[in-house]
Amino acid sequence: AQSVTQPDIHITVSEGASLELRCNYSYGATPYLFWYVQSPGQGLQLLLKYFSGDTLVQGIKGFEAEFKRSQSSFNLRKPSVHWSDAAEYFCAVGPSGGGADGLTFGKGTHLIIQP
Amino acid sequence: GAGVSQSPSNKVTEKGKDVELRCDPISGHTALYWYRQSLGQGLEFLIYFQGNSAPDKSGLPSDRFSAERTGGSVSTLTIQRTQQEDSAVYLCASRRVGYQETQYFGPGTRLLVL
Repeated sequence: AQSVTQPDIHITVSEGASLELRCNYSYGATPYLFWYVQSPGQGLQLLLKYFSGDTLVQGIKGFEAEFKRSQSSFNLRKPSVHWSDAAEYFCAVGPSGGGADGLTFGKGTHLIIQP
Repeated sequence: GAGVSQSPSNKVTEKGKDVELRCDPISGHTALYWYRQSLGQGLEFLIYFQGNSAPDKSGLPSDRFSAERTGGSVSTLTIQRTQQEDSAVYLCASRRVGYQETQYFGPGTRLLVL
């Protein structure tokens, strides 16, 4: 069965500092990988996705993620965080057939930004 | 264009009552998903609709949960005889079926069962 692990439940970063959120997945075939962000009381917003090709993908709001097949990882990065980045971040994996089984999500990482 | 919309935004009900949650997908999206987000379980897939095909109900937690999709568009998730453990945020997502298409999520319905 597929699974996603986000090992960090909470991360605190100073404004302007760099950020890396970890994500490891388990999937039997070539996965589709996603990062979503959720602000308090809001739904999920797609930050970026990896389907194939270049393993470094760029997303919205200055985020990027790198797919490393050998490490089964898809870590999210941002060079300089802003206070508005404080939110819950979810990594998800889906079947390469197009999502018929629904996405499998990690438990999320809560990002806190210190002034 | 408009995103996925869900109603109501919040719902408070008493244990044992039935509730209906509504989802309007993005126009042209033929795939529709329901997820549940709760403190203890995180985000869980519940059910998937694709066009007029029979839905994939593999994620429904009990037979008190059911969903339908009328005309290939609007979907309703029904929870019968609600229990306190049903309290959660219910998220709907839609996807345009094709190659490498993404699921887009609505704002969710926050259900509280007293």
